[in-house]
Amino acid sequence: KAGVTQTPRYLIKTRGQQVTLSCSPISGHRSVSWYQQTPGQGLQFLFEYFSETQRNKGNFPGRFSGRQFSNSRSEMNVSTLELGDSALYLCASSLEGRSFNEQFFGPGTRLTVL
Amino acid sequence: DQQVKQNSPSLSVQEGRISILNCDYTNSMFDYFLWYKKYPAEGPTFLISISSIKDKNEDGRFTVFLNKSAKHLSLHIVPSQPGDSAVYFCAASAKETSGSRLTFGEGTQLTVNP
Repeated sequence: KAGVTQTPRYLIKTRGQQVTLSCSPISGHRSVSWYQQTPGQGLQFLFEYFSETQRNKGNFPGRFSGRQFSNSRSEMNVSTLELGDSALYLCASSLEGRSFNEQFFGPGTRLTVL
Repeated sequence: DQQVKQNSPSLSVQEGRISILNCDYTNSMFDYFLWYKKYPAEGPTFLISISSIKDKNEDGRFTVFLNKSAKHLSLHIVPSQPGDSAVYFCAASAKETSGSRLTFGEGTQLTVNP
């Protein structure tokens, strides 16, 4: 069974631009979560989508948004990029998105904002 | 407000000895705890978990202990192997209504020396 895939793996943008990241979950998984990892901050929860609906949202500004398609693939968008948005963005999928369901992470997209 | 804290950014251990990684949490609503391991350029991979109704869970060389009164959990690796060298993240989730949202600690870099 293929794992979680994320595209692109690396991205360089400049301040003020916008970016879209993509995540394909494991086949059959309906929940997709997004996390931001920065040095010394661990992984910070961005949002979770389940059956095309945002079910949970972390404490990030409205510049961060996402969506999920009917095939469970998910995209995350960041508008008006700031230097502080440079981070590794990780997506995780799980079967039903229950707290006890194991989450499988993709390799991440490394975003650099110049 | 860091609800999950890993106070040791790094830990160095000799091969064959025990590695003990610690994690503290503040949110009493957390009822499920997980440990993830992360290698560079890869996403985190699930290692072991424990429900709040238990105080110990064992899987091969890995054992997680939960002390609810102290809001503390620890991961023991015995015996430690060089391949265990990675960043270890402690994570917690609240009751089912929160879906798959995980709150992570900052991570501990474990180095196992041959």
